[in-house]
Amino acid sequence: EVQLLESGGGLAQPGGSLTVSCAASGFTFSSYAMGWVRQAPGKGLEWVSGISGRGDSTYYADSVKGRFTISRDNSKNTLFLQMNSLRAEDTAVYYCAKDQECIDWGQGTLVTVSS
Amino acid sequence: QTVVTQEPSFSVSPGGTVTLTCGLSSGSVSAGSYSSWYQQTPGQAPRTLIYSTHSRSSGVPGRFTGYILGNKAALTITGAQADDEADYYCMLHVGSGIWMFGGGTKLTVL
Repeated sequence: EVQLLESGGGLAQPGGSLTVSCAASGFTFSSYAMGWVRQAPGKGLEWVSGISGRGDSTYYADSVKGRFTISRDNSKNTLFLQMNSLRAEDTAVYYCAKDQECIDWGQGTLVTVSS
Repeated sequence: QTVVTQEPSFSVSPGGTVTLTCGLSSGSVSAGSYSSWYQQTPGQAPRTLIYSTHSRSSGVPGRFTGYILGNKAALTITGAQADDEADYYCMLHVGSGIWMFGGGTKLTVL
């Protein structure tokens, strides 16, 4: 059974940094692209970033390009999203998803950007 | 600026059939858009219904069908049930490894 468990959410100051993680199990992690999707309170889903199985290709939505960095550690079956220069509009639940088409989802971790 | 379009809301009677659509502000949706559909109820993570236009995710009943309808992606729900009341989102590959969600359709079953 595929399991994705996000962690690392919390309160961050505007202009600050935070890294969220996703621990994966139940499948061969290195064989799959992974991604992050976020949902601001009361709003719709927004695709944020994706990474290839080997980690050699990364992709970003315009809204986060240059501020967020996606990475993965295939030896530890873990996906990361490093978020810098955080803004109030980055406040959201951040979901980790398996495959480019987000076939499996974690339960999400809440990131709040506020002073 | 590419925008993925969905109907904001839709209503269906129990046992009825409803078709939700997903389009592009500029251009057509095709098989190469790898359209996918997700269902989300309040307080829950999204659940994948359809990926790669028409492939049903594990455990999804056959009354959910994805396909291309003209220049849009479509999701048809046949024999709607009360627990189909949810928000439905489509996602499209818009090129160069970038994906984009539509704004979502709020489906009411009454």
